[in-house]
Amino acid sequence: QSVLTQAPSASGTPGQRVTISCSGSSPNIGNNLVNWYQQLPGTAPKLLIYSNNQRPSGVPDRFSGSKSGTSASLAISGLQSEDEADYYCATWDDSLNGVLFGGGTKLTVL
Amino acid sequence: QVHLQESGPGLVKPSQTLSLTCSVSGGSITSGGYSWSWIRQHPGKGLEWIGYIDYRGSTYYNPSLKSRVSISVGTSKSQLSLKLSSVTAADTAMYYCARESPFGGNYMPDSWGQGTLVSVSA
Repeated sequence: QSVLTQAPSASGTPGQRVTISCSGSSPNIGNNLVNWYQQLPGTAPKLLIYSNNQRPSGVPDRFSGSKSGTSASLAISGLQSEDEADYYCATWDDSLNGVLFGGGTKLTVL
Repeated sequence: QVHLQESGPGLVKPSQTLSLTCSVSGGSITSGGYSWSWIRQHPGKGLEWIGYIDYRGSTYYNPSLKSRVSISVGTSKSQLSLKLSSVTAADTAMYYCARESPFGGNYMPDSWGQGTLVSVSA
């Protein structure tokens, strides 16, 4: 079980807005920036959001991130079928002195 | 644009050493600004950070694997190496190499290779 807690699954219909949460603690999310990664089926993870709320070039503005205290969230608006993927939060952990990943949330577009 | 490509044997016997290579193009491993890491994903499971090497050659490992893992840079400076000793079936996973960039002073993955699947079985 990961130190960063994510719901194992989420779902929504096309056009809806969905939110995926990531809960941690002071040594990790509380003290450090959060990244989000998207892993489409059968592919490697891809950086989706960095530094809590920044989008790399090429990522649609339908994707947004936020952080408050020891929790972070990824929001996807205008849900599309191609958004069906696994989503992972990640941050540095001061106790581990390394990168921590959340357990991942499998997003299904109904 | 950096490109990373993992390679190595797809099958390793229990108790042996798993050895993987990551070829990096579009950037030098030893130039400043980035670190280079290995991350694995057990079948159907989440991501596990194994460790990284920074541009100065300093290494940082996940405590759960520290006694068995070694990350190094090849003589060509464009290859990253992972060695994991005394493997068991629990080490069966997809292994990714990744470039890490500084985010708020800490290094986190921003570019990933496609991964290589390693099975541990007699």
